[in-house]
Amino acid sequence: QKEVEQDPGPLSVPEGAIVSLNCTYSNSAFQYFMWYRQYSRKGPELLMYTYSSGNKEDGRFTAQVDKSSKYISLFIRDSQPSDSATYLCAMSAGVNTDKLIFGTGTRLQVFP
Amino acid sequence: DTGVSQNPRHKITKRGQNVTFRCDPISEHNRLYWYRQTLGQGPEFLTYFQNEAQLEKSRLLSDRFSAERPKGSFSTLEIQRTEQGDSAMYLCASSLVRSLQGRNYGYTFGSGTRLTVV
Repeated sequence: QKEVEQDPGPLSVPEGAIVSLNCTYSNSAFQYFMWYRQYSRKGPELLMYTYSSGNKEDGRFTAQVDKSSKYISLFIRDSQPSDSATYLCAMSAGVNTDKLIFGTGTRLQVFP
Repeated sequence: DTGVSQNPRHKITKRGQNVTFRCDPISEHNRLYWYRQTLGQGPEFLTYFQNEAQLEKSRLLSDRFSAERPKGSFSTLEIQRTEQGDSAMYLCASSLVRSLQGRNYGYTFGSGTRLTVV
C-alpha cells in the first residue's frame, strides 16, 4: 500500500463548478501538507501549504487537513478552463527530513 | 532571476550510455532537490542538498546514480550505464531554509529533463 493515495481521475467538470480533490495517507507522522498544480510538460507549481490540521483559503482555493482521518482536500471554486491540469498532493513528516511524498496526481479538465 | 533552470530539456540516449543533467537553482536558495517522475505518477524523491552537503538519499538512488553540488550552487545528476527503466522526467527543485533543521514552505520546481533510454 502506498503512503499517499490519490484518485488519478480524470475529473471532468463544466466551467464554474466547484471541484473537490482528495488524498488519503497512512503515515501519522506527516504534518506538512501541500497541493501542487502541474501543467503538461512543466514542473509542479506550489498552490497551497498547510501545517497540521485545519483549513486555509487563498482566492478560489481552499485546502483542508483532517489528521484524525488522515485525509486532505483541495476545493476549487468557480473553476476555469485554465485550471485544467494535474493536481498533486504532497506531504512531509518534517522531522529530520525535507523530502516530500507525493500522490499520483488527479487530472482535472474544466470545459467551457 | 528566472526560477529553477534545468538542462537539457530532453535527452535521448542508448542503453548503457552515461548521461548527466544540470540544475541551476534560484540564486538565494540554499536547498536543492532531485525527484524523478514517470508517466501517470507523482514525483519520487531521489536526494537533496543543503549548500554542498548531501543530506539525504533515497534507496531509489542506486549505485549507478550520483548527484553533486560542488560549490553549493548548481547541481549535476549523473546516471551511469543507463537502463530503459531510467526513462522518466528528472525534476530539480530549490528552496530557502534558515537553519539545518529549518523547514521550508514548499519548493520551486524546474521544468525537468525528460530522459528517454532506447
